[in-house]
Amino acid sequence: QSALTQPPSASGSPGQSVTISCTGTSSDVGGGYNFVSWYQQHPGKAPKVIIYEVRKRPSGVPDRFSGSESGNTASLTISGLQAEDEADYYCCSYADRSKYVFGSGTKVTVL
Amino acid sequence: QVDLVQSGTEVKTPGASVRVSCKSSGFSFTKYYTHWMRQAPGQGLEWMGVIFPSGDATSYAQNFSGRVSVTRESSTSTVYMELTSLRSDDTAVYYCAREAPYTGWFDPWGQGTLVTVSS
Repeated sequence: QSALTQPPSASGSPGQSVTISCTGTSSDVGGGYNFVSWYQQHPGKAPKVIIYEVRKRPSGVPDRFSGSESGNTASLTISGLQAEDEADYYCCSYADRSKYVFGSGTKVTVL
Repeated sequence: QVDLVQSGTEVKTPGASVRVSCKSSGFSFTKYYTHWMRQAPGQGLEWMGVIFPSGDATSYAQNFSGRVSVTRESSTSTVYMELTSLRSDDTAVYYCAREAPYTGWFDPWGQGTLVTVSS
């Protein structure tokens, strides 16, 4: 199972929006499972879920984080960028037979 | 409070095996999936495998070619991940994480365990 494809980096000024793509195949993201999640990871810390089931936010996650999906590509949008959003972001998708695959990761920089 | 606490740093030589533990608290761990991921230095996350709530079923990533196994001990609410035939490129931080059944997302995560493989 190959890693899902994400852009290595993305950036924006405070208050701007940034969108990160996550491209897979019809065997994972596009497989109709609806099990795409996104994780935020700050340096030296464990990942934290910010989006699950493509577009849902866990309790406590700000509504400036949103998710969507079209075909084999999922996307994470951060609206109204804040300094604390500077981190690495990873998508993850169910990939059949109880297996999962992560994206390659995107480093978000707040300019 | 729901928490996963992992065992400490390990240093191994090539060819050896390592077993990392993940102790659950604050919930009934027999009702959840426990997944294992790893992250090599400066690299991304890699899914390794999962043990089902029943405790008698597992699923593993093909990349590990039978080198990884996940087991659990109900009496201590602990899940173990063992990786055999270690190579230098197995050097990584290993994480466990919980998944509620049929939800497809991992929360919480353990604090991570650094495994260094070096001769």
